[in-house]
Amino acid sequence: DVKVTQSSRYLVKRTGEKVFLECVQDMDHENMFWYRQDPGLGLRLIYFSYDVKMKEKGDIPEGYSVSREKKERFSLILESASTNQTSMYLCASRTPLDTIYFGEGSWLTVV
Amino acid sequence: GQNIDQPTEMTATEGAIVQINCTYQTSGFNGLFWYQQHAGEAPTFLSYNVLDGLEEKGRFSSFLSRSKGYSYLLLKELQMKDSASYLCAVKGGGATNKLIFGTGTLLAVQP
Repeated sequence: DVKVTQSSRYLVKRTGEKVFLECVQDMDHENMFWYRQDPGLGLRLIYFSYDVKMKEKGDIPEGYSVSREKKERFSLILESASTNQTSMYLCASRTPLDTIYFGEGSWLTVV
Repeated sequence: GQNIDQPTEMTATEGAIVQINCTYQTSGFNGLFWYQQHAGEAPTFLSYNVLDGLEEKGRFSSFLSRSKGYSYLLLKELQMKDSASYLCAVKGGGATNKLIFGTGTLLAVQP
C-alpha cells in the first residue's frame, strides 16, 4: 500500500511565523504535490515536484515555497504565515500508473 | 479556461442507487479520477477512467464519455458510510499532467 505521511495533523501558528509542513512517501515516487482545500473552493494546487530539487508552481503559489532535497520528502514552507493561509493542507504522491494518493492532511490555523 | 462542474449536494436513501455527475472543460485530457472524502479526512482514490465506457468496482462504477466531457459515479446499495464528499478530478494535458479538481459533491445517505 502507498503511504503518504504528513508530520503534523493540527497546527496553530501566529501571523508572521515561518511554518514548515513535512510530507514523506515510502514508494519512491517521483511526483509529489501540495494542495490546500477550502470550503467551496475545492482542492487547489500550490506546488508540485517531479524529481529531487525540481519544483513547479501550481495555481496558487503566492506566499508559499517548497523544498525537495530527497526523493521521499517534500516540504511546504510558509515564509510568513497570514490568516488567509488558514486551511487544510494535503500532500500527495503519484504512482507510475498516475494514481494520486493523499496524506492525512494538516489543519493549519493562523491567528 | 479549465472548469469542472459537479452538483454541490445530493441526498439518497440507504439501499438505493445514486448517480453523481461531472462535466469538464479542460485544456487536454489524460484521464478522470473519482475520490471519496469523509469529513475531516483526506480524499481516497475510488476510480480512474481514461477510455470511454463503464468501469465497475464492487458497488461503485464510473463512466466516461470524452466526446461529451462527461463522467458519472454510480453508487449501488447505498450504505450510511457512503455519506461523504465525492470529488471529480481531471488530469490535464501537457508535460506536467496536473490534476484539476472539482469542488466536490456532498452526498448524504438517509435511513
